[in-house]
Amino acid sequence: AQSVTQLGSHVSVSEGALVLLRCNYSSSVPPYLFWYVQYPNQGLQLLLKYTSAATLVKGINGFEAEFKKSETSFHLTKPSAHMSDAAEYFCAVSDQGSSNTGKLIFGQGTTLQVKP
Amino acid sequence: EAGVTQFPSHSVIEKGQTVTLRCDPISGHDNLYWYRRVMGKEIKFLLHFVKESKQDESGMPNNRFLAERTGGTYSTLKVQPAELEDSGVYFCASSAASYGYTFGSGTRLTVV
Repeated sequence: AQSVTQLGSHVSVSEGALVLLRCNYSSSVPPYLFWYVQYPNQGLQLLLKYTSAATLVKGINGFEAEFKKSETSFHLTKPSAHMSDAAEYFCAVSDQGSSNTGKLIFGQGTTLQVKP
Repeated sequence: EAGVTQFPSHSVIEKGQTVTLRCDPISGHDNLYWYRRVMGKEIKFLLHFVKESKQDESGMPNNRFLAERTGGTYSTLKVQPAELEDSGVYFCASSAASYGYTFGSGTRLTVV
C-alpha cells in the first residue's frame, strides 16, 4: 500500500533563505508523486508532479522537487523564500502508481512560515 | 476553462441536521473524487466516481454519508444526520486520463 510521510509539521525560514520541505513515500509500484500548496482560505493548488519523465521536477513559483528512488524521497525545495510562500504544503502519492486517475494518499502537511 | 466549483464555501449547521455539499467538475472529466480534512489531520480520500458510477467508496466513514453523481456531471455529498466529528474541509477534485487532478476550493463544514 502507498503511504506518505512529511517530516516536520511546521517549518520556519527567513525571507531569502532556502526552503526545504521533506517528503518520504512508500509505494509498491512506480509512483506518481505530487506537491500541493494551500494558501489561506483557498483550495489545493498543484505545485508540481513527478511522472517518471525526469527525476528533477520544476514547478510553479520557483519550486522544484527531486525524486530519489534509493531514498524513497521527494523533497520540495526553493532557493530563496518569499513572504508569499507562507502556506501549507502537502505531498501526495497516487495509489495506482503511474496514473492520472488513482486516488491520492496525502501526507500530514507542512506549514511554512516565512519571517521577514 | 472553468475549474472545479464547490458550494457552499462555508456551512455551519447544528448536530443532527442535514447538509448537502455540491461539486461541479471540469467539463469532460469522467473522474470525480471527494476528500476530507478534519482538524489537524491529513487529507483523506472519501470516494471516487467514474462518470455516474461509484468506482471506490472505501473512504466513506459511515452510512450517514451519501454521495451521488447525477448523469455523470455534478456530484453531491449529503451528511444526514450530521455529527460534531464531521466538521472539516471537504474537497472535490476531478481528473481525466490524460490530465491530472484539479481540486476545488473546498467546503468548510462546521457542526455545532
